Amino acid sequence: NAGVTQTPKFQVLKTGQSMTLQCAQDMNHNSMYWYRQDPGMGLRLIYYSASEGTTDKGEVPNGYNVSRLNKREFSLRLESAAPSQTSVYFCASSEAGVAGGRADTQYFGPGTRLTVL
Amino acid sequence: GNSVTQMEGPVTLSEEAFLTINCTYTATGYPSLFWYVQYPGEGLQLLLKATKADDKGSNKGFEATYRKETTSFHLEKGSVQVSDSAVYFCALSGTRNTPLVFGKGTRLSVIA
Repeated sequence: NAGVTQTPKFQVLKTGQSMTLQCAQDMNHNSMYWYRQDPGMGLRLIYYSASEGTTDKGEVPNGYNVSRLNKREFSLRLESAAPSQTSVYFCASSEAGVAGGRADTQYFGPGTRLTVL
Repeated sequence: GNSVTQMEGPVTLSEEAFLTINCTYTATGYPSLFWYVQYPGEGLQLLLKATKADDKGSNKGFEATYRKETTSFHLEKGSVQVSDSAVYFCALSGTRNTPLVFGKGTRLSVIA
């Protein structure tokens, strides 16, 4: 199993350009997540999808859109990139579904390092 | 809402020293608690977890005990190695279909 994969690994954009970060998991997980990681700020949740067909905003959703394409894939789109979006972006997945109960482990991809000039 | 506070770093230790990274939490109900580790240039990976009070999670020589009375989940290792140099994140989650809440991370550097 590849686990969680992300593409691209690195990207440089100019202010105002758009791009989509891709994420896929092969663990048949129900839930998927997008985080950004900035120095001194830890991980901040951008959007998540608790199940195929649903998405919810996290702590810092402004400037981003997401699409849960199918159970495997969850993409993050920057419509008009800004220097403040320079960050490392991580995708994660977990088995958890819409049913209630205790939390389970999230599995992370290797990250995409994005620079916006 | 739920939150996690962990000690700020960086923490620098000599090889074979004892490690403690403090983590306290605020949550309603009975959260699950996690420690994740991030090695340089990589994503986060689960180090250990505990799902109920008094549980002890352990892995690779690291341990943490879920203390409900002190709302804490401190990470410990008796003898660190250079290869333990990484950023460590404490996290919690209250319910199965909600995202984890992470602390800000503690960078550990172990020198030979």
